[in-house]
Amino acid sequence: AQTVTQSQPEMSVQEAETVTLSCTYDTSENNYYLFWYKQPPSRQMILVIRQEAYKQQNATENRFSVNFQKAAKSFSLKISDSQLGDTAMYFCAFIGGSGTYKYIFGTGTRLKVLA
Amino acid sequence: NAGVTQTPKFRVLKTGQSMTLLCAQDMNHEYMYWYRQDPGMGLRLIHYSVGEGTTAKGEVPDGYNVSRLKKQNFLLGLESAAPSQTSVYFCASSRLAVTGELFFGEGSRLTVL
Repeated sequence: AQTVTQSQPEMSVQEAETVTLSCTYDTSENNYYLFWYKQPPSRQMILVIRQEAYKQQNATENRFSVNFQKAAKSFSLKISDSQLGDTAMYFCAFIGGSGTYKYIFGTGTRLKVLA
Repeated sequence: NAGVTQTPKFRVLKTGQSMTLLCAQDMNHEYMYWYRQDPGMGLRLIHYSVGEGTTAKGEVPDGYNVSRLKKQNFLLGLESAAPSQTSVYFCASSRLAVTGELFFGEGSRLTVL
């Protein structure tokens, strides 16, 4: 069974600093997709970034980037120049490419950006 | 553009009562999902649907039923609510099965006394 593990329940970072959130996963599939979702205090979940397993290049979206290590089954999220608006719960998610239709989520990391 | 809309947003039930959560999406998405979110447990999949008229069980389906009679709507029912079903429920939809982004509703907070 596929699993997603986020080992950091809570983290904090100073405004303008860089922080890295960890995510590891377990799967026997070779083709799959990984996501980071953000849930601010308003509860609305929004997509931060997406990585396709067959692409070696790490995905980047403005201040957000990932370090995708396929062999290690690791998918960390780096937030550069942290802003107060980045304060949120962050979820790592996985979906296999074999048509299972099920997105598997980690338990989340609560990030607080300090002024 | 409303996206994904969940109703109601808050509800308090007594043990044994029944209720239905409605999820509506206006993006013509094929795939729809119901998740529950509990502290320290992330999001767990309850049921999902890959198209109108289809439903399937997720990780934690017991105590819930679903229906997808219309493509745009996905209903989650609790026939006899239990305190263990106190949670925040999220509906999500996706255009594509795998590569597609999940679009979430704002969540529905359910308390069972």
